[in-house]
Formats: sequence, C-alpha cells, structure tokens
Amino acid sequence: KQEVTQIPAALSVPEGENLVLNCSFTDSAIYNLQWFRQDPGKGLTSLLLIQSSQREQTSGRLNASLDKSSGRSTLYIAASQPGDSATYLCAVRNYGGSQGNLIFGKGTKLSVKP
Amino acid sequence: DTGVSQDPRHKITKRGQNVTFRCDPISEHNRLYWYRQTLGQGPEFLTYFQNEAQLEKSRLLSDRFSAERPKGSFSTLEIQRTEQGDSAMYLCASSSTGPGYEQYFGPGTRLTVT
Repeated sequence: KQEVTQIPAALSVPEGENLVLNCSFTDSAIYNLQWFRQDPGKGLTSLLLIQSSQREQTSGRLNASLDKSSGRSTLYIAASQPGDSATYLCAVRNYGGSQGNLIFGKGTKLSVKP
Repeated sequence: DTGVSQDPRHKITKRGQNVTFRCDPISEHNRLYWYRQTLGQGPEFLTYFQNEAQLEKSRLLSDRFSAERPKGSFSTLEIQRTEQGDSAMYLCASSSTGPGYEQYFGPGTRLTVT
C-alpha cells in the first residue's frame, strides 16, 4: 500500500531564505507526482507535476525534483516571501488500476516571517 | 474558464440529516474526483468519474455516501444520515485523461455536523 510522508510537518523561516520541502513515498511504481499549495480553509492549487520519467520541473521560484528509485521528491523554494506561507502537499499517482486517485501526504506548513 | 466550482462553500447540519454537495468541473475535463480532508490531514480519495461512469470508489465511501454525474458534466455527492465524523472539507477536482492527468481542485465544501 502506497504511503506518502512529508517532513517536516511545519517550518518557519525568515523572508529571503531558500528552503527545501521533502516528500517520500514507499512504492516507487508511480505514474507521476504532484505538488500543491493550500491556504487555510481553501482548496488546493497545483504547483508542479513531475512525470515518472522526469527528474525535475521548474516554475518561477519553484523547482521540484524526483528520484523515483529512492522514493523521494523535494520542492525547492528560492528567495521565500511572506506570501509563500501556506501548507504544501505532495501527492503521487500509482501505476496500474484505473490511475484514478492521488495519494497525499499530510503536508508541510510553511511560515515565512517578514 | 473559471476553474472548478463547488456549492455550497459551507454547510452546517444536524446529525441524522441528509446533505448534498455539487461540483462543476472545468468544462473540457472528462474526469471528476471527490476527496475528503480532515484537519491536519491530506485529502483522502473517495471516488472518481470518467464522463458519467463511476470508475472507482474508496472503502471510505460507506453506504451512506452516494455520488452521481448524470450527464458527464456536474457531479453531486450526497451523505445520508450524517454523523459527527462526517465533518470535514469535501474537495472536488477535475482532469483530462492525458497526458499527466493533472488534477485541478475546487475551493471545497466545509461540512459541520452538530
């Protein structure tokens, strides 16, 4: 059974710092991995999607990497800003079956202090 | 396109009552997903549709839960005889069937059962 873990559960950094959020998964047979942002009481905003054949994806100040063999992904945020404060969730889609659902971690709650 | 919409945004109901939520996906997306999220947890998959066909249901979807997507457009999720444990955020997402099945989420419906 696929399990997704995100460490740390919470992170507080001063504005301007570069930071890394970690995601690990137990079954390496994934189709892809998606990173999301969630603001309090809101839905999820898709940030980056990495296919299993890719090593990384970039969007603006965000860079996500994927090492499928070791079951790890990282989300790198450059030059953090107070507006980046949110919970960041990673989710994997497994191969096989109907490829329907995403399996989520519990998220990392990020606070960027001005 | 305005993205995925959900209605209502908030619902307070008494235990034992029935509730129904609606989701309108992105218009060109033929897949629609339902998830449930409780405080401090990542979303958990409930069910998904491809067009009007319900292709997968989680074990979380007890007999009191039913979902429909009658014409392959909007979807409804009904909970009968609500229990306090049903209190959660109910999230809807949609995607196309390729290339990455990237899921886009709505704002969610917050259910409180008193």
